[in-house]
This record gives sequence, structure tokens and C-alpha cells, in this order.
Amino acid sequence: EIVLTQSPATLSLSPGERATLSCRASQSVTNSLAWYQQKPGLAPRLLIYDASNRAADIPARFSGSGSGTDFTLTISSLEPEDFAVYYCQQRSNWKLTFGGGTKVEI
Amino acid sequence: EVQLLDSGGGLVQPGGSLRLSCAASGFTFDSYAMSWVRQAPGKGLEWVSAISGSGGSTHYADSVKGRFTISRDNSKNTLYLQMNSLRAEDTALYYCAKGFRYCDSSGCYVHPYYFDYWGQGTLVTVSS
Repeated sequence: EIVLTQSPATLSLSPGERATLSCRASQSVTNSLAWYQQKPGLAPRLLIYDASNRAADIPARFSGSGSGTDFTLTISSLEPEDFAVYYCQQRSNWKLTFGGGTKVEI
Repeated sequence: EVQLLDSGGGLVQPGGSLRLSCAASGFTFDSYAMSWVRQAPGKGLEWVSAISGSGGSTHYADSVKGRFTISRDNSKNTLYLQMNSLRAEDTALYYCAKGFRYCDSSGCYVHPYYFDYWGQGTLVTVSS
């Protein structure tokens, strides 16, 4: 099973600041990685697929990069609605796994 | 509008069984792989199982293999998860999730491994 390790666990920032979230895989997943946002009491929302492609209706301030084992989600300038938990997910050989999450808090 | 409505959760004793359902609407159900993803209280996300659009191919996480069975009835636009031999560690909010459809300059495609729509979740509690 591929383990995804997200860091930091918590990121304390202010609106307007840049957020950089990391996801590291225990072995290469090429570019088969997605990022989700989850707010309290709600289901996750797909932000990024295949490491760097924004899903429909996702604002341009969200961007993804990386390949192999190291991936980054960047939020260029935090809006109040961006404070949430973010998860990465890989899809290797139908043994899908999620990272433990990064909480972006004010 | 795509809608996924999860149901069937509840309190069950260890060793018991439960069947979850997910009623889908707003899209061509049999064209999409579907998955179940769970989230233990205050914890992260865990993929549980997936099934192809036709129902002919299924996949399971090691933690549930041999105990859970995923199925679908395309005539009823409904996804199921039969859960047997339930354990305390199966306690979680269970979401159904739809495979992700995207379009680019060369056409439209479905990624069965990523999820663009989710149900509201149904809570399963395994406790004596």
C-alpha cells in the first residue's frame, strides 16, 4: 500500500497569505494524485487531479505541482472560505489511499 | 443536477451486518464507476471499495476485503454496500462518490479513481 504523508498537519495563516501544502508518497505515483478540500460537516470537494489540473469551477488561486513522490498544493492568496482541511489522494492499481490531511486555520 | 443520497446507516453490534444504499440522479449512472469512502469521527478519509459502471469489476481496501461487498442496480440508479462481520473500527461516516468526468480539447473522459460528487454520508456505529 502506498502511504501518503502530508505536512504540516496544521498551517496557521492569515487571509491574503500564501499557503504551501506538501504531500509525499512512499513510492512513485507518477502524476496520479488529487487534492480535495473538506469543510466541517461537508463532503470533500475535488480541487486538483493528475497532480496539476484544476477541476471545473476551481479558482485559479489553487494550483498543484509535482510528480513521482513529492507534490505541492499552493493557494496563492488565502480567501476566508479557504480555511479548511486538505487531503491528497493517489490511485495506484485500485488501492486508493488518502493522506492524513493538512488543516489550514486562521 | 447530480445528486447522491446515502442511507442505511445506524447502530449495529460487533459481528453484525448492515446494507448501505446510495440513490443517484442527474447523470447517466451506468456510465460511471462508483466508490464508497469512509471517515471515522474526527479522522481522515479512507477509500473502501469501488465498482465499474457495468458492475462487472469490483475493488476493495484490504481492511474490508472478505467482509464487505459492493454492488449496483443500474435499473434503479442505486449503489449498495453490504457490510458483514462489522467491527468497532468500521465506525465511520460512509460516503458514496462518483467517478470524475472531465473534458479537454481532445474530448471528454472519466477518471474512475477521482471523485467529483459525493453523497452527504450515512453514519455507521459499531458498538455493543
